[in-house]
Parts: sequence; C-alpha cells; structure tokens
Amino acid sequence: QKEVEQDPGPLSVPEGAIVSLNCTYSNSAFQYFMWYRQYSRKGPELLMYTYSSGNKEDGRFTAQVDKSSKYISLFIRDSQPSDSATYLCAMKGGYGQNFVFGPGTRLSVLP
Amino acid sequence: NAGVTQTPKFQVLKTGQSMTLQCAQDMNHNSMYWYRQDPGMGLRLIYYSASEGTTDKGEVPNGYNVSRLNKREFSLRLESAAPSQTSVYFCASSVRTSGSSDTQYFGPGTRLTVL
Repeated sequence: QKEVEQDPGPLSVPEGAIVSLNCTYSNSAFQYFMWYRQYSRKGPELLMYTYSSGNKEDGRFTAQVDKSSKYISLFIRDSQPSDSATYLCAMKGGYGQNFVFGPGTRLSVLP
Repeated sequence: NAGVTQTPKFQVLKTGQSMTLQCAQDMNHNSMYWYRQDPGMGLRLIYYSASEGTTDKGEVPNGYNVSRLNKREFSLRLESAAPSQTSVYFCASSVRTSGSSDTQYFGPGTRLTVL
C-alpha cells in the first residue's frame, strides 16, 4: 500500500460545478497537509495549506483534514475552465521530515 | 523575485552520457530539493539539502549525485544516464525551520529524455 493514495482521474465536470478531490494516507504521524495545483508542463504551485485537523477556506477553495479517518479533501466551488489542472496532495510529519506527495488527480472543467 | 529557476528546460541524452541540472533560488531559503515526476507516480524525492553544506538521500537516489554549491544553488548530476532516468525533474526550496509549514516552492522543471 502506498503511503498516500489519490484517484488519478481524469475527472471532468461542467463549469460551475462543485469539485471534490480527495487523498487518503496511512501514516498517523502526518500533521502538515498541502494541496498543490500543477498546470500542464509547469511546476506545482501551492494552493492550500492546513495544519492538523479542521477546515480552511480561501475564496472558492476549501481544504478539509480528518485525521481520525486519515482523509483529506479539497473542494472547489463554482469551478472554472481555468481550474483545469492536476491537483497534488502532499503531507508530512514534524520538523525535519520530508513531504510525501500523492500521484495527483487530473481535473478538466468544461465550458 | 525570480523564485526558483532551473536550467535547462529540455535535454535529450544518449545512454551513458552525463549531465548536470542546475537550480537556483533567490528567496533566501535554507533547504532545497530535487524531485522526479513520472506518470502515475507523483513527485518522488531524489536528494535534498536541509541547509547549506549538507545533503541527504531521498526516496530514489540511485544514479544521481548532488552538490549544494552555496545557499542559492543546488545541482543534480547524472553520471551515466539510463533510459529509466527519463522523467521530468523539479527543484524546490523551502524555509524549513522548526514550527514552520515548510511550504515548498517549485521551479518550472527540466524534461529529460534518455535514449
């Protein structure tokens, strides 16, 4: 079993839909959780960061962490064609540990 | 600020050839990283440098060497390229201090093909 699992997609939705992207993990020591967005042929860019459990909202994006279920989610409201990209989750334990990345979910938002 | 820059953007090598990928950051970050990204595998850590003067192996270090030239620059060397090293290589940097989120900032990547 991989340490971080993520459905690779592709996921296609119509413009304006609510998108739910998810990752599961096996290491209970993880406490920092990130979501990166990667456009085609570009480097990943940080979208959301959450420490420990709970929700965090930033504009149309909401990140949720459920440590008891070892499950994190990214919700995109009112999705736009410009949201079409690959979304990578990443997580790590405490200071001095390195991030572990999920394989990414490819999202297409159709006009 | 340019952020994290990488050169070259593209490279084609023949099996057995060597090359060095260059990375530089202008954010005064302590730590730098080299990843490779393959379809369905996500980003896998090759080597990292937690601070200037130190380097450590990541998940997939075989066939690679690194040099942390100074605080700004971190290079990745392939001594004898193999087709299995065909991939997209990303450099990243982060502050990496106790209590920080250790957010990583990525370069644009180098697409390497080994024939």
